[in-house]
Amino acid sequence: GESVGLHLPTLSVQEGDNSIINCAYSNSASDYFIWYKQESGKGPQFIIDIRSNMDKRQGQRVTVLLNKTVKHLSLQIAATQPGDSAVYFCAETAGANSKLTFGKGITLSVRP
Amino acid sequence: DAGVTQSPTHLIKTRGQQVTLRCSPKSGHDTVSWYQQALGQGPQFIFQYYEEEERQRGNFPDRFSGHQFPNYSSELNVNALLLGDSALYLCASSLVGPGEAFFGQGTRLTVV
Repeated sequence: GESVGLHLPTLSVQEGDNSIINCAYSNSASDYFIWYKQESGKGPQFIIDIRSNMDKRQGQRVTVLLNKTVKHLSLQIAATQPGDSAVYFCAETAGANSKLTFGKGITLSVRP
Repeated sequence: DAGVTQSPTHLIKTRGQQVTLRCSPKSGHDTVSWYQQALGQGPQFIFQYYEEEERQRGNFPDRFSGHQFPNYSSELNVNALLLGDSALYLCASSLVGPGEAFFGQGTRLTVV
């Protein structure tokens, strides 16, 4: 069945270091993947997306990597800042406007 | 430009009661999706509305129903509330076709 999972429930990093958050998905039909950031008391905030015809996409301080062979998605955050502390979700969808399937989320904690 | 707005922000209901949650999509968006997020979990898809019709539905009982109005705003109704319905209810809007979904801040529903 469909599932999106995250390998680690929490990640603690030193301010200024790079962070890598990993995600596994199982629906081979998924063609669009998104990373969301959710701060306490707020809704998920879009970070970056990638389509299945790509294997890498870069944004401002963030990079998403997609490995369709092993159904793996990762989010890299460069020079992690205290403001990056939040819960991060990967989500997948198959087809335009299809439902998003989320994983359970991973908490990123940035140490000063 | 206002993003996705939801009301109310918090709500306490008694088991067996009915509740209506409201969502106004981001300006220009025509598709509204609803998600339920239990504490410590990722959002779970409830249903999606487009052109005032339910287009997709997740694995939720018929107690969960919705509506979309001509101005694209939407309501989520839950009947016969159960304690397990306590969660953060998120509304996401998007434009038909591929593209990111924007989330509101959510409505925190507590059933006692």
